[in-house]
Amino acid sequence: DGGITQSPKYLFRKEGQNVTLSCEQNLNHDAMYWYRQDPGQGLRLIYYSQIVNDFQKGDIAEGYSVSREKKESFPLTVTSAQKNPTAFYLCASSAGNFFWFFGPGTRLTVL
Amino acid sequence: KNEVEQSPQNLTAQEGEFITINCSYSVGISALHWLQQHPGGGIVSLFMLSSGKKKHGRLIATINIQEKHSSLHITASHPRDSAVYICAANNNDMRFGAGTRLTVKP
Repeated sequence: DGGITQSPKYLFRKEGQNVTLSCEQNLNHDAMYWYRQDPGQGLRLIYYSQIVNDFQKGDIAEGYSVSREKKESFPLTVTSAQKNPTAFYLCASSAGNFFWFFGPGTRLTVL
Repeated sequence: KNEVEQSPQNLTAQEGEFITINCSYSVGISALHWLQQHPGGGIVSLFMLSSGKKKHGRLIATINIQEKHSSLHITASHPRDSAVYICAANNNDMRFGAGTRLTVKP
């Protein structure tokens, strides 16, 4: 079955450490996205990539970095520069504007 | 002001009740999506609308493009419908509402 895999589901890190969240899709979608979800707020766009080896900042890119070396993979690194990293992170992919799929999410807690 | 506003934020219903969740958006769209997020966090797409009305089982979604408004209805609600329902406006990217938390009590 096609879909998006995010790992791990829960992640704990100490303050000041970088951490990388995995996102893999086997849908052959060109576009991939990272969103952050905080309680009571809509999903906010961190980074997106419409093609391999290219990515763009979203609304809240500060303190995050991404890479897109393969079509299937779009890992997100939460750096120590991100002031409030504890959140739920969702990866998504799309084919054109219409067919969107979401991953199961990773809940990151910084201690 | 958010580009996508949902109401209500929280909704509690008794099993069997008819549920309506509303979404208003201020951006131009190519499509509007209704999504469902279960307590574990994963999101599934329920509907994608660009006009009119769609029905899937007990779920009905409508959109009025001129008024920039969409509604999600659930008929004969059931406890398993308890989830967060999210409206998202799709143009070149997705703009998400904050979600409506629905709790259906037996």
